[in-house]
Amino acid sequence: SQQGEEDPQALSIQEGENATMNCSYKTSINNLQWYRQNSGRGLVHLILIRSNEREKHSGRLRVTLDTSKKSSSLLITASRAADTASYFCATSALNEKLTFGTGTRLTIIP
Amino acid sequence: SQTIHQWPATLVQPVGSPLSLECTVEGTSNPNLYWYRQAAGRGLQLLFYSVGIGQISSEVPQNLSASRPQDRQFILSSKKLLLSDSGFYLCAWSRDGFNEKLFFGSGTQLSVL
Repeated sequence: SQQGEEDPQALSIQEGENATMNCSYKTSINNLQWYRQNSGRGLVHLILIRSNEREKHSGRLRVTLDTSKKSSSLLITASRAADTASYFCATSALNEKLTFGTGTRLTIIP
Repeated sequence: SQTIHQWPATLVQPVGSPLSLECTVEGTSNPNLYWYRQAAGRGLQLLFYSVGIGQISSEVPQNLSASRPQDRQFILSSKKLLLSDSGFYLCAWSRDGFNEKLFFGSGTQLSVL
């Protein structure tokens, strides 16, 4: 299975601190994506990083990909209360469907 | 711009009753369409996907079925619900290919009692 696994399962930090979540996967991928889900809502796409890329930025988000270690990290800088959500990584091989991990539940403490 | 509508937001149904969840996409044509289920505190399980009208692929054998009667309409159905069908159902679409960015609906929380 291509399923990614996020680590940690839950993370609580003070507002203003940086939050780092990790994702590991098992086999070669075409791309890796990160999504955010607020409680009881649908998922929102954050970043897509392709297998030939090592780092991408979007606002306060930074994603890295290490294909040799089959892992990715999502860094949220200067966290805000509104960043409280669950974060999922999703992986796929070429022409295969996305497979989602079980997520990291992030809580920002005001 | 593209939007995706999914309804109802919440549904409570007795065991053995039928189910129909509807999803529509606006602002794009020939999208790939998906139905996912999410158990409480878990990741997403792909149930069905469709690459065109009338074309449905099932990922997991189960008590559910899907249909795509129009290009931008995707319906999830069951003839007789089971307790195990409870969960959070999400519709999604993508433009090209299976592994590109997904756009999700707001979800339906289904409780089968």
